[in-house]
Amino acid sequence: ETGVTQTPRHLVMGMTNKKSLKCEQHLGHNAMYWYKQSAKKPLELMFVYSLEERVENNSVPSRFSPECPNSSHLFLHLHTLQPEDSALYLCASSQDSRPSEAFFGQGTRLTVV
Amino acid sequence: AQSVTQLDSHVSVSEGTPVLLRCNYSSSYSPSLFWYVQHPNKGLQLLLKYTSAATLVKGINGFEAEFKKSETSFHLTKPSAHMSDAAEYFCVGGGSYIPTFGRGTSLIVHP
Repeated sequence: ETGVTQTPRHLVMGMTNKKSLKCEQHLGHNAMYWYKQSAKKPLELMFVYSLEERVENNSVPSRFSPECPNSSHLFLHLHTLQPEDSALYLCASSQDSRPSEAFFGQGTRLTVV
Repeated sequence: AQSVTQLDSHVSVSEGTPVLLRCNYSSSYSPSLFWYVQHPNKGLQLLLKYTSAATLVKGINGFEAEFKKSETSFHLTKPSAHMSDAAEYFCVGGGSYIPTFGRGTSLIVHP
C-alpha cells in the first residue's frame, strides 16, 4: 500500500451524469494532485493543492472541479463529461509542493459513455 | 523548458538478463530527473531521482540510473531482470514546476 487511497476504482458514467472521485492520503503530506493518464498520451498533471489551496490548474476544462476540504482529502467532481475524458485518474501526494516527486494512488478508471 | 524522450515503447528481456530502458532529456538548465514504475492496475511508484548530486543514482528493487550530461541521457538499468519487473516505466523531467512525463516503456520479461 502506498498510503494514498482512491475510490471508486472503476466508474462508468453517462455524459449527463454528475459523479465525484475521492482521494485520501495517510502520509501526513501537505500537497495533493490530480493526474490524468490517457491511453497513448503522457501523464498530465491537472491540479495541484498545497496547504489546501489550489496553486495550479493546468488548463483543465471547467467540467472537472476539484475540492480539497483538508490536507488529507481531495475530490474531483465531474459533470457533463465527454467520451474523450475516459482515462485513468490518479491522485498523488507529497510533502511540500513537488509534483515530480509524489506518492500515487492506484487510480480510478473512468469510462464516459 | 524541460522535455524527456523515452526511446523505446517496448523492451523485451529474458529473466536473469540485464535491463536497459533509455531516456534522453532536453533542458536549458540543470535538470531534475526521475524514473517511476507502474505495475498493472497500480499507481506509479518512484524508483529513483537525480537532483545534481551523484551522477549514478541507485533506486529501489536493484535499479539504478546514470546521468550523462554529454549524452543528455538518464538511462535506467538493472543487472538481472526478474519476472516481477514486468511493468510500465516512466522517465520524468522535473526541472520546471509542472513535471514532464515520457510516454512510457513497457518492460516484458520472459521466463
